[in-house]
Amino acid sequence: ETGVTQTPRHLVMGMTNKKSLKCEQHLGHNAMYWYKQSAKKPLELMFVYNFKEQTENNSVPSRFSPECPNSSHLFLHLHTLQPEDSALYLCASSPDDREYNEQFFGPGTRLTVL
Amino acid sequence: QKEVEQDPGPLSVPEGAIVSLNCTYSNSAFQYFMWYRQYSRKGPELLMYTYSSGNKEDGRFTAQVDKSSKYISLFIRDSQPSDSATYLCAMRRSGGGADGLTFGKGTHLIIQP
Repeated sequence: ETGVTQTPRHLVMGMTNKKSLKCEQHLGHNAMYWYKQSAKKPLELMFVYNFKEQTENNSVPSRFSPECPNSSHLFLHLHTLQPEDSALYLCASSPDDREYNEQFFGPGTRLTVL
Repeated sequence: QKEVEQDPGPLSVPEGAIVSLNCTYSNSAFQYFMWYRQYSRKGPELLMYTYSSGNKEDGRFTAQVDKSSKYISLFIRDSQPSDSATYLCAMRRSGGGADGLTFGKGTHLIIQP
């Protein structure tokens, strides 16, 4: 176990649904990240949060809405998604105060949009 | 040109062979270089990271960085069937702070018993 948990592990939703992905880290880190992993594409950074503040939005469409209520929890709210949004969504956390801050990944949520 | 190029494979080798995995990159701002291993239905886990050009060894794994050529490699000695996984190279501009990673597509490695 890496200390980063994600729920649900699998999610199937229609294009008109609203759902949320949840990430929790038990490592005492201050930074949290959302990445998207699509078939045959590199892992893509979506959002970065540091001390609950969003520090990076990698030109992500507004149908993805992140929320970071505290340094241990990160959510990704989904609405009006498209079939091409089907992917593995990975959460990661890291410290932010060392010379090198290793990112620890959760197992991901496998999302299918019908 | 993509920022990070990595051959997706699959790469199939017999058990005990030396495996060589590679990535090239175009952005000279990248300073930290990582190799992650990802098993099926799991998140990536960090194998090694390096900062400067040169070699870094950890057990059966050696990471190599050539910044002048913008080329990084991971060598696996005495490969085992348990090494079968997808290997992702990743890089970032700085080590400190909260900086997102830029990944290659990953190479699917198969070690045949």
